[in-house]
Amino acid sequence: GAVVSQHPSWVICKSGTSVKIECRSLDFQATTMFWYRQFPKQSLMLMATSNEGSKATYEQGVEKDKFLINHASLTLSTLTVTSAHPEDSSFYICSAAPAHEQFFGPGTRLTVL
Amino acid sequence: DQQVKQNSPSLSVQEGRISILNCDYTNSMFDYFLWYKKYPAEGPTFLISISSIKDKNEDGRFTVFLNKSAKHLSLHIVPSQPGDSAVYFCAASAEGSARQLTFGSGTQLTVLP
Repeated sequence: GAVVSQHPSWVICKSGTSVKIECRSLDFQATTMFWYRQFPKQSLMLMATSNEGSKATYEQGVEKDKFLINHASLTLSTLTVTSAHPEDSSFYICSAAPAHEQFFGPGTRLTVL
Repeated sequence: DQQVKQNSPSLSVQEGRISILNCDYTNSMFDYFLWYKKYPAEGPTFLISISSIKDKNEDGRFTVFLNKSAKHLSLHIVPSQPGDSAVYFCAASAEGSARQLTFGSGTQLTVLP
């Protein structure tokens, strides 16, 4: 299957700082990528759809100014958690789809102290 | 409103027997269904998918069945192996939605040796 990478795999930061997470499609081009978060023992929650060359589409309840998404190329989307707070601690996962099937990155564990 | 439901949070099966994981959906616009396997702190791994024009798709030990009239799909794993122990998510997407996935809440499968 297609390969999607994420970096970093885990990050610990202080409250108030910003954290950038990268999502790359390694062997295909993706005009659309998706960002999810998962809380412990819960399902994946779609946060936003990242569109190459245009603004991201955010799901209801997701703050655009807090979760900045940039899809600058056909293989890279970034999610920046701005002014992170402890409640932003979560597992963030991106995905991309060369066809109907979405392939997921390995996830990024964010811990905000 | 949960559009994709997995009503069994957990399932235990003996090694070598069949595992059957169930999923129900409510949105009749869904036309593509997928199953993912997920280990803790990792991104979901794509297993198998099915289009709404089919009622069965098989790939090795994994078979997905779709009953459109009942809005129900199931994943059969046979024979089950201890390495299959993981959380299984079903997901659905609709044409024209940028292929966004709507996930069920997941079923923890434990295959006992």
